[in-house]
Amino acid sequence: AQSVTQLDSQVPVFEEAPVELRCNYSSSVSVYLFWYVQYPNQGLQLLLKYLSGSTLVKGINGFEAEFNKSQTSFHLRKPSVHISDTAEYFCAVTKGYGGSQGNLIFGKGTKLSVKP
Amino acid sequence: EAGVVQSPRYKIIEKKQPVAFWCNPISGHNTLYWYLQNLGQGPELLIRYENEEAVDDSQLPKDRFSAERLKGVDSTLKIQPAELGDSAVYLCASSLDGSRETQYFGPGTRLLVL
Repeated sequence: AQSVTQLDSQVPVFEEAPVELRCNYSSSVSVYLFWYVQYPNQGLQLLLKYLSGSTLVKGINGFEAEFNKSQTSFHLRKPSVHISDTAEYFCAVTKGYGGSQGNLIFGKGTKLSVKP
Repeated sequence: EAGVVQSPRYKIIEKKQPVAFWCNPISGHNTLYWYLQNLGQGPELLIRYENEEAVDDSQLPKDRFSAERLKGVDSTLKIQPAELGDSAVYLCASSLDGSRETQYFGPGTRLLVL
């Protein structure tokens, strides 16, 4: 079975500073990896996803993530954050094939708080 | 293009009462998901539909929860009777098809059981 661990429940950072939100996964089969963002009282919105190919994935709002198979990680990064990036970020995994294909397994989330 | 629509947005009921949530997915999306999100947690899948067929309901507590997607478009999730522990946000999502496709989420229904 797949699982996702987000190592930090909260990350405070100052505006214009870089940020990294960490995500590790476990799976015995190939997976697809996703990062979603959730603003207060809203649904989840996809930031980026890794399906195959280049391990560096670029997403919306200046975010990027790098898939590292040997370390089973998919950390999210942004070189310079804005106040508007304050939200909760979820890492998710799904199997690439077979039963339960398409079922997202989410981490517990990381609350990013950007301070002026 | 309209996104995933859910109603109601908020619901307060007393325990042992029934409650129903409605979801209308993005037009043309064959796959529909219901997720449960407890406070401080990530969403957890309850049920997945491919058209009108429930292809994965292994995480749905069938003693009190039920769902339907009769015409393969909109869907209803029901709880009867509700318990205090059911207080959570119920999210609906849809995708074109398959695990490579992006899931688009609705705003959710926030349920409070008193």
